[in-house]
Amino acid sequence: AIRMTQSPSSFSASTGDRVTITCRASQGISSYLAWYQQKPGKAPKLLIYAASTLQSGVPSRFSGSGSGTDFTLTISCLQSEDFATYYCQQYYSYPLTFGQGTKVEIK
Amino acid sequence: EVQLVESGGGLVKPGGSLRLSCAASGFTFSSYSMNWVRQAPGKGLEWVSSISSSSSYIYYADSVKGRFTISRDNAKNSLYLQMNSLRAEDTAVYYCARDRHPIAAAGRGDAFDIWGQGTMVTVSS
Repeated sequence: AIRMTQSPSSFSASTGDRVTITCRASQGISSYLAWYQQKPGKAPKLLIYAASTLQSGVPSRFSGSGSGTDFTLTISCLQSEDFATYYCQQYYSYPLTFGQGTKVEIK
Repeated sequence: EVQLVESGGGLVKPGGSLRLSCAASGFTFSSYSMNWVRQAPGKGLEWVSSISSSSSYIYYADSVKGRFTISRDNAKNSLYLQMNSLRAEDTAVYYCARDRHPIAAAGRGDAFDIWGQGTMVTVSS
């Protein structure tokens, strides 16, 4: 199975900050990578697919980049509603796998 | 409105069985591959199983293979997960989720663009 490793696992940031979350795959997955946002008690929400394509309705402050094994999710200007846990997911091959999550907390 | 609604969760003893359902509405259910994803309390997301639009392709996580069975009824716009031989480690919120695109590349999955609200399964004596 392809292992997905996110870093950091958690961090604190302030509204207005630019934040970056990294996701590394244990083997090449081309651009078959998605990013999700999850808030407590809610289902995950798709933010980005194909590594860099913004899902419809997602604010443009979210962006994704990378291919192969190394990927990043960037939030250009953190808003209050962005404090949540973020997950990457590879869909290059089965079994599909998620990263362990990155929790973004308020500083 | 595009919507997925899970049901069937509850408390079950170890070794017991449970059948989850996911009712789809607002889109052509028969065109999309569907998935189950779970989340143990306080933990991350874990993919459980996927089924193609016509049920021709089915995949399972190793952790549930041989115990869980995914199925669908396109006439009823419904997805199912039959869970047998349940263990304490199966305790989780179970989500059904739709593949983003109706046409999936062979052997590949997809991002999940629509999720249900989840149904809680608790395995405990």
